[in-house]
Amino acid sequence: QQQVKQSPQSLIVQKGGISIINCAYENTAFDYFPWYQQFPGKGPALLIAIRPDVSEKKEGRFTISFNKSAKQFSLHIMDSQPGDSATYFCAATDNYGQNFVFGPGTRLSVLP
Amino acid sequence: NAGVTQTPKFRVLKTGQSMTLLCAQDMNHEYMYWYRQDPGMGLRLIHYSVGEGTTAKGEVPDGYNVSRLKKQNFLLGLESAAPSQTSVYFCASSYLTGLRETQYFGPGTRLLVL
Repeated sequence: QQQVKQSPQSLIVQKGGISIINCAYENTAFDYFPWYQQFPGKGPALLIAIRPDVSEKKEGRFTISFNKSAKQFSLHIMDSQPGDSATYFCAATDNYGQNFVFGPGTRLSVLP
Repeated sequence: NAGVTQTPKFRVLKTGQSMTLLCAQDMNHEYMYWYRQDPGMGLRLIHYSVGEGTTAKGEVPDGYNVSRLKKQNFLLGLESAAPSQTSVYFCASSYLTGLRETQYFGPGTRLLVL
């Protein structure tokens, strides 16, 4: 019940295209859903996050869509750029952040 | 402001050896975490701490011990290293706000156990 599923495992997108990564969770106690971006050799860094009281959050080219009834959320990267090439992790947490659960990650490659 | 730092960056151990990984943060964060990252498995929580002097087990605590004697430091110990502990270890810290937590990660420690 703690698991967060993430798909696809890898994604190749042309420059200017839309990248979409999907995540699903089971634990209804989760109430905070962040996305992290990780470049090779670096630690993950928070990209964008959402709470279940909203269905969508947008920050620049990055948008999270959240479907509470389906227990699913997704990351959309509009106008994808080669600099967006990285591994993306979705995560979920409850209890005020005492225990984070991460998805397995999606390796995104944006072709020039 | 260095954020979250980890020492060492890379280490090679022989099976049965012990070592301690050090995490330090200068953001006055209450929460600190240790994760391991393995290919295709994302990050898995080993141990975490909600304040100085407190620690708790995460998802994969076996074979590891931790200590939080000072608020800014979180130590991860391997008493008897095993090849299964070959991984990249990340430390993270976050505020205690009662709202939603943003975790700040260190650069990682790459550990190879032979």
